[in-house]
Parts: sequence; structure tokens; C-alpha cells
Amino acid sequence: DADVTQTPRNRITKTGKRIMLECSQTKGHDRMYWYRQDPGLGLRLIYYSFDVKDINKGEISDGYSVSRQAQAKFSLSLESAIPNQTALYFCATSDHAVSDTQYFGPGTRLTVL
Amino acid sequence: GDSVTQMEGPVTLSEEAFLTINCTYTATGYPSLFWYVQYPGEGLQLLLKATKADDKGSNKGFEATYRKETTSFHLEKGSVQVSDSAVYFCALSETDSWGKFQFGAGTQVVVTP
Repeated sequence: DADVTQTPRNRITKTGKRIMLECSQTKGHDRMYWYRQDPGLGLRLIYYSFDVKDINKGEISDGYSVSRQAQAKFSLSLESAIPNQTALYFCATSDHAVSDTQYFGPGTRLTVL
Repeated sequence: GDSVTQMEGPVTLSEEAFLTINCTYTATGYPSLFWYVQYPGEGLQLLLKATKADDKGSNKGFEATYRKETTSFHLEKGSVQVSDSAVYFCALSETDSWGKFQFGAGTQVVVTP
């Protein structure tokens, strides 16, 4: 089984809809991250969480919210989806006690029509 | 702020050719440097890393040396295979921060038989 899983893998939605992307990990890592990937822009950080009670905005948090339900689960929500949120979304984890290496999930491809 | 610049792609090579992907960075402190690889339809996987100046990271025939004097971390492989076709991302993590990553835009590599 994969260490970092994301659901759904693909999602098509309409403008104005609320959607949630979910991330789960079995690595036992304390830190979790949400990124979006756009062609030619690399990965940009949306939100990050050091532990269940510590959630922080990244560089492009507008229009997004997150919830860290447990150490192993970190969800990303789009309250009212818009077309320019069409992108590939990645969850990642790291264990700060070991190293700063981040481990990525397989990604969720989101299309907002 | 911190930034990572890598050469634009796509880079198209024949099998067994030599591959170089240039990566330069700007950072205020002493970052760790990474190369991640993204195969089609998959998430990012750590390829190699280096944590201090003059360190050489290596994995699967790929190498990169942390050059502080030129602020570079170029990725090289002596003989590429079709299976090396992927997108390669250079990234840095500041050691005096919380492990925030700054990614380059990614370089697509296409290896033809």
C-alpha cells in the first residue's frame, strides 16, 4: 500500500461548487503539506501543518481551506471553486525529527468548468 | 526571497546520451538541495539530495554536486534510458526554517530509442 494516498485521483466540478480533497498517510510523519502544480510554475505551497493543532498558510492560500483531522489526515477544501483552480494537487509529508525530505502522494487532477 | 531556477524543457535526447539539467538557486541561509522526479501520471519522488556544500548526491546513475560558490546543483546522468523520461524538479529547503521547500519550474526530459 502507498504511504501517502490522495482521494479522489480525478475530479471534475463546476464553478461555485464546494469540494474536498483528502490526503492520508501511514508514514507516521508529523508534518503535512498541500501544493498545486501548474505547467511552467512548478509546485506552489497552499497550506502546511506541523501537527494537528498547527496549521499555516502558504504562498497561495486564498480560496482554499484545510483541516487536519488527525496526524494521518489532512484535507484541502475549495469553498467555491473557480476555473483558475484547475490544477494538479499534491499532498506531501515529512518527519521533522529525521530530515526535511518531503514525500508526495500521487496527486489529484482537478478540473473546474 | 529564496528561489530556484532550472533550465526550460523539453530536453529531448537519444538513448545512451549524456544528460545535464542546470539548476541554480538563491537563498539567504544554508539550504539543503534536492532533485525530485515525476514520472507520467505519478507524484514526485525524491531522486537525490545534498545537505551541505561540496556534497554529492547520487541515485540510479544520476548525480548532482552542491556548489556553494556557483549556487548550483546541476543534475547529470552519463547514459540515459527511455525509462528516464520524466519531469525533473530542483528544490531547496532552508535549514533555518521549518523545512519550507522552494521548487523550480521543472524540466521535462524525453528520451527516444
